[in-house]
Amino acid sequence: EIVLTQSPGTLSLSPGERATLSCRASQSITSSYLAWYQQKPGQAPRLLIYGASSRATGIPDRFSGSGSGTDFTLTISRLEPEDFAVYYCQQYRSSLWTFGQGTKVEIK
Amino acid sequence: EVQLVESGGGLIQPGGSLRVSCGASGFTVSGNYMSWVRQAPGKGLEWVSVISSGGRTYYADSVKGRFTISRDNSKNTLYLQMDSLRAEDTAVYYCTRVADGYNQAFDYWGQGTLVTVSS
Repeated sequence: EIVLTQSPGTLSLSPGERATLSCRASQSITSSYLAWYQQKPGQAPRLLIYGASSRATGIPDRFSGSGSGTDFTLTISRLEPEDFAVYYCQQYRSSLWTFGQGTKVEIK
Repeated sequence: EVQLVESGGGLIQPGGSLRVSCGASGFTVSGNYMSWVRQAPGKGLEWVSVISSGGRTYYADSVKGRFTISRDNSKNTLYLQMDSLRAEDTAVYYCTRVADGYNQAFDYWGQGTLVTVSS
């Protein structure tokens, strides 16, 4: 099973700042199958990024994804008030999916 | 408009069984991979199971042999039959669509249904 480790656990930033979230895989994964989700309290997760770097429909361009192999990054260029939430990375291989444990982006 | 609506959650004793359902609209369940993802209270997301458009099923090791995913094409509904429930199965269960066009990511999610396993 591929384990995804996200860091940091919590990121304390102010609106307008840049957020950089990391997702590291226990073994090399196909970047095509790496996704990122945003979850706000009491809501279902929302797909942000798929294929490591492609934005899902309706996702603002301040969200970007990058990486390959075992190291992937989600960047929020300028934090808006609605971006404070928990973010999860997720990978797919051979009909099995796994999620990282999440990074909470909180207001400083 | 694509919508997923879960139902059937509730309080169940350890060792008991429960079936949760997910009614879909705006697309056909049988034409897509469909999956269940759960989230224990205050915890992260855990993938549970998937059913392919061809009917093949796959499970996380934590539920293999106890949970069964299925669908009713005539009702456009996805199911998760949960047997031999344990306290650690307590979670919100989300129904999701696996988006082939989004490289096997989950593009639509229901609002979730809470399953509580407790005596």
